[in-house]
Amino acid sequence: DAKTTQPPSMDCAEGRAANLPCNHSTISGNEYVYWYRQIHSQGPQYIIHGLKNNETNEMASLIITEDRKSSTLILPHATLRDTAVYYCIVRVEGYGGATNKLIFGTGTLLAVQP
Amino acid sequence: NAGVMQNPRHLVRRRGQEARLRCSPMKGHSHVYWYRQLPEEGLKFMVYLQKENIIDESGMPKERFSAEFPKEGPSILRIQQVVRGDSAAYFCASSPRAGAVYEQYFGPGTRLTVT
Repeated sequence: DAKTTQPPSMDCAEGRAANLPCNHSTISGNEYVYWYRQIHSQGPQYIIHGLKNNETNEMASLIITEDRKSSTLILPHATLRDTAVYYCIVRVEGYGGATNKLIFGTGTLLAVQP
Repeated sequence: NAGVMQNPRHLVRRRGQEARLRCSPMKGHSHVYWYRQLPEEGLKFMVYLQKENIIDESGMPKERFSAEFPKEGPSILRIQQVVRGDSAAYFCASSPRAGAVYEQYFGPGTRLTVT
């Protein structure tokens, strides 16, 4: 799986949009970009994933650059409960081997400030 | 629709005892993954199982650890003769099928403390 690079920490004011960047410059054409978060020792929570196109769901939006070398997770209106470690993970498409494991890096600690 | 369930949520074992961690996947999910998070460290993949089969155990320690996912019942992660270094949070995840297109959903974890 391609390696990802994320800033170790970020702050965001409550009610504002949180934009979390991720670099994956060695990503291949068949690798998905996934985002998970972990709120203080709870189980990781799936947020969103995409391959080439931008994606949006009830939790967040995922913006993938045209060359796919980086992406941004957007939480449109951050709340205190969004304080967590956010992980950007790339997974190669397929049905065996490395495709089935999530490789977590160190992530970004997002602190939402009141 | 219930999510991934794990029990117990907290488990205390003395050195040398056995620990059994259970994971019930989401309804309709037949693929189970175990991950471990040591204190102050990141999540590490341990093993991937499909009903009655171990597909990938590349992250499992070679000794004392085993996993199963029987035809009926939950997946079990078993740790024999526990040592203090086994103290960690163990998370189970499930997906409906294999492959990167399918997201994995995690349970709340079992926190194992070895005294």
